[in-house]
Amino acid sequence: GAGVSQSPRYKVAKRGQDVALRCDPISGHVSLFWYQQALGQGPEFLTYFQNEAQLDKSGLPSDRFFAERPEGSVSTLKIQRTQQEDSAVYLCASSVAGSSYNEQFFGPGTRLTVL
Amino acid sequence: AQKVTQAQTEISVVEKEDVTLDCVYETRDTTYYLFWYKQPPSGELVFLIRRNSFDEQNEISGRYSWNFQKSTSSFNFTITASQVVDSAVYFCALSEDNNAGNMLTFGGGTRLMVKP
Repeated sequence: GAGVSQSPRYKVAKRGQDVALRCDPISGHVSLFWYQQALGQGPEFLTYFQNEAQLDKSGLPSDRFFAERPEGSVSTLKIQRTQQEDSAVYLCASSVAGSSYNEQFFGPGTRLTVL
Repeated sequence: AQKVTQAQTEISVVEKEDVTLDCVYETRDTTYYLFWYKQPPSGELVFLIRRNSFDEQNEISGRYSWNFQKSTSSFNFTITASQVVDSAVYFCALSEDNNAGNMLTFGGGTRLMVKP
């Protein structure tokens, strides 16, 4: 596709449910990032992939959060046993190479609401 | 550790006014990159500009201009003759060159409202 796509766009979960959020990066982009954006705040880094390798997961808030990118393209962010504090917009971004210089292209995000 | 501060949480102007959005950053690296992104109501972050730490030249693109000053660790963004379509949340962000994760550190954002 022309840009980064994410699905679903909106997700409502009951507390304790597991959720899976999908990201389709721009074709050929090596780097993929996940960010969490709470209401009224800036995005915060969660994790980073270069191809299929997860090189940095220092931003994942707990072991309930897990991300994968098994074939180096599509990525899934999974949240187990969701809590109300997980409610946020989850943004995916990709960039053409693994350099701090490269701009990141963002998807529209998935808005997760945990009841 | 890197940090980005956008002290203005919300700015309201009337169309055709000029407006400057402030950004102050902290980093221990000598090589780093600064970015501005726009987030319209649709939610998707749109890349506006990138600056590297060795290039302090100001940049102008149409009604947009950026002022990068290493001496004050600031990277301010000015919109000249603002328009209603400029209404959005604007984020300043920093990426350090030795950052193995290449992650962006964002400021809290400035919500700009341009009234007709």
